[in-house]
Amino acid sequence: LAKTTQPISMDSYEGQEVNITCSHNNIATNDYITWYQQFPSQGPRFIIQGYKTKVTNEVASLFIPADRKSSTLSLPRVSLSDTAVYYCLVVSSGGSYIPTFGRGTSLIVHP
Amino acid sequence: DAGVIQSPRHEVTEMGQEVTLRCKPISGHDYLFWYRQTMMRGLELLIYFNNNVPIDDSGMPEDRFSAKMPNASFSTLKIQPSEPRDSAVYFCASRLAGRFTDTQYFGPGTRLTVL
Repeated sequence: LAKTTQPISMDSYEGQEVNITCSHNNIATNDYITWYQQFPSQGPRFIIQGYKTKVTNEVASLFIPADRKSSTLSLPRVSLSDTAVYYCLVVSSGGSYIPTFGRGTSLIVHP
Repeated sequence: DAGVIQSPRHEVTEMGQEVTLRCKPISGHDYLFWYRQTMMRGLELLIYFNNNVPIDDSGMPEDRFSAKMPNASFSTLKIQPSEPRDSAVYFCASRLAGRFTDTQYFGPGTRLTVL
């Protein structure tokens, strides 16, 4: 299983771009990267997913370099409502599927 | 669809009592997961089912915990006997498998307090 490492916490201000990087040095060929967001008193919510290069949706962008040993979740122009915990997962598309959330990155957006 | 439904939303019980948490996954989803979340350990996977069959229960902390999925629309997580250290938020999630896709849909959680 690919182990992930991400910062425990980050602080930002409204209107800024936030980048959260996740390291996954032993990612396998069949693995892909998924990010979830969790607000207080709620379950996690899927944000974005990718295998390589760049993926963008209405919520965020995901940058994955060629070696795929890390990935960066980019949140453009954050607002107070983006204050949440963000989880990086590496999961396999084949064989054993065991999602590992860990503690995630707690993002606090200040006014 | 109403999403993943969990009950109860809150449960307060005394040490030694049996606790049963319930989950109704999204219709058509073939995976069901049970997670536990605490401040100390974060979000931990306890067990998951595929097509109602338990696939991996290595995260179940001990024999006091058991989970069942008698059919595609219902699952239970039981703790017997409960202990104060079991106090946590328990989430259920469901997923529709697909190649290179991973979208789990989480329920609102059950906040368990064991006194």
